[in-house]
Amino acid sequence: GAGVSQTPSNKVTEKGKYVELRCDPISGHTALYWYRQSLGQGPEFLIYFQGTGAADDSGLPNDRFFAVRPEGSVSTLKIQRTERGDSAVYLCASSLGHSNTEAFFGQGTRLTVV
Amino acid sequence: QKEVEQDPGPLSVPEGAIVSLNCTYSNSAFQYFMWYRQYSRKGPELLMYTYSSGNKEDGRFTAQVDKSSKYISLFIRDSQPSDSATYLCAMKSGGYQKVTFGTGTKLQVIP
Repeated sequence: GAGVSQTPSNKVTEKGKYVELRCDPISGHTALYWYRQSLGQGPEFLIYFQGTGAADDSGLPNDRFFAVRPEGSVSTLKIQRTERGDSAVYLCASSLGHSNTEAFFGQGTRLTVV
Repeated sequence: QKEVEQDPGPLSVPEGAIVSLNCTYSNSAFQYFMWYRQYSRKGPELLMYTYSSGNKEDGRFTAQVDKSSKYISLFIRDSQPSDSATYLCAMKSGGYQKVTFGTGTKLQVIP
């Protein structure tokens, strides 16, 4: 596709449920990033993939959060036992390589935990 | 203390005004400095990036970095209503991919 695609655009889930958020990066981009943006805040780094491997997962808040990128393209962010505090916009970005400063963002998935 | 501080605004200016947006930071390892624009319910889009100290100009936009003061600025000349958005400063250190964002400043340009 022409840009970074994230699905779903909106997700409402009940507290305690499991959710998966999908990111389809720009074709050929080897670097992929997940961020979380709470209302009135800037994006907060969660995890960075270079190819299939998570090169930096230091931003994942706890072990309920996990992300995969099995074939080096599409990535899935998985949240177990969701809590109301997980409500935020989850942004995905991709870039050509680790030395490329320009990352392109998707429109995000707005997650609401009720 | 946050690594990156940015006044959230909102900042309201008349069309045609010069806008000054600023961020301060505490991590002296930051070497790459970016400004993103984010429209409501959209992802951030990169406006400009600067490596180390200095100025960079692109059309109506000028980015300045003063590493000695740990202070960065974005100037918008001849502001337009279409510039109304949230402006996020962002920065990272060399060799790392983690980007640290400010909270964003909401700008409104009034026709």
